[in-house]
Amino acid sequence: NAGVTQTPKFQVLKTGQSMTLQCAQDMNHEYMSWYRQDPGMGLRLIHYSVGAGITDQGEVPNGYNVSRSTTEDFPLRLLSAAPSQTSVYFCASSSLGTGFDQPQHFGDGTRLSIL
Amino acid sequence: GNSVTQMEGPVTLSEEAFLTINCTYTATGYPSLFWYVQYPGEGLQLLLKATKADDKGSNKGFEATYRKETTSFHLEKGSVQVSDSAVYFCALGPGNQFYFGTGTSLTVIP
Repeated sequence: NAGVTQTPKFQVLKTGQSMTLQCAQDMNHEYMSWYRQDPGMGLRLIHYSVGAGITDQGEVPNGYNVSRSTTEDFPLRLLSAAPSQTSVYFCASSSLGTGFDQPQHFGDGTRLSIL
Repeated sequence: GNSVTQMEGPVTLSEEAFLTINCTYTATGYPSLFWYVQYPGEGLQLLLKATKADDKGSNKGFEATYRKETTSFHLEKGSVQVSDSAVYFCALGPGNQFYFGTGTSLTVIP
């Protein structure tokens, strides 16, 4: 009963380093998304995907890349980390159902610190 | 554009008190509305949802009614418990993007 699995749970990077946050779901959901959570800002959408091979930008996409080669996996890449990217990152997935009114299932998050 | 406004926290209540957390939204079209709850160190979990005007979502004693005329989706519970201490997020799903409020932290004291 895994649901949405995010790895790693914690990570510290130096400015300019790159890394990939992993996200996998086992519910055969079409829709997957990445959010960042910052104090006083709520959750802000970074990128999302409605199926394998299809991705699009959300509210705050700059500095992040995504790809969706399979239904199950949706990795988030930081190409050159900056201190402003220090945040908690959440991956979420949902079925599309009859539209976009299905609830999202969230992973436990990745706490990322950029020094 | 689309947005969600939640009442500022933190909120501290005594056990068995009545809870209201206000949420208003701005959206085009006919969005679906959600309340999510986040416990410390965890991801968000769906608490309840409503997909059209006048729908009432309910779960675990929490309720919220989709009010199109006032563009609101306030969360209520008649008698809170210590175990309800968490951060609550109102969210809007007008299409392929979801919008979240800033969250309201609730602490319930015995």
